[in-house]
Amino acid sequence: DGGITQSPKYLFRKEGQNVTLSCEQNLNHDAMYWYRQDPGQGLRLIYYSQIVNDFQKGDIAEGYSVSREKKESFPLTVTSAQKNPTAFYLCASSTPGRLQFFGPGTRLTVL
Amino acid sequence: KNEVEQSPQNLTAQEGEFITINCSYSVGISALHWLQQHPGGGIVSLFMLSSGKKKHGRLIATINIQEKHSSLHITASHPRDSAVYICAVGVGGSGSRLTFGEGTQLTVNP
Repeated sequence: DGGITQSPKYLFRKEGQNVTLSCEQNLNHDAMYWYRQDPGQGLRLIYYSQIVNDFQKGDIAEGYSVSREKKESFPLTVTSAQKNPTAFYLCASSTPGRLQFFGPGTRLTVL
Repeated sequence: KNEVEQSPQNLTAQEGEFITINCSYSVGISALHWLQQHPGGGIVSLFMLSSGKKKHGRLIATINIQEKHSSLHITASHPRDSAVYICAVGVGGSGSRLTFGEGTQLTVNP
């Protein structure tokens, strides 16, 4: 089955800790994206990558980092510099400029 | 003012009603997307369009580039259509970089 997976579904972290969210796709898509969703707000773009070994900052990149060493994988690290990391994080992939396919999301809670 | 505005924010309908959700945007775009978010958080892309109209089953999406406006219509609505419907615009060369509206919460009662 082709698709996009994110793990874990729920994640808890203590303040000051870095945490990495996983995103994997087997759709052979070149482009991958990370979004953040807060209650009552629209999705916001954190980082995106249109090709392996290249990525660009989105609208809210501060406090986050990514890597794109493989086409299938685009992990997101939430660093301790992110002041308000509690949110719902969604990963997506696409052929550039085409419909985006979304993963199930990871709910991150900072304790 | 947000670059992408949706109306209404909330919509309640009776099963079988015709539903319209509107989206207005203020920037030049490559394409406009409509997405559906289920209560558990999962998101499905419904349409991507840059002109005219697209139809899939009971869903119809239209766009007017000159007026910077798009509509999503649902015919013969059903309780399973209850979800948040999100409009997003693609900007930049490939249109991959999306800016999202805040969504419209649709509830269809039996």
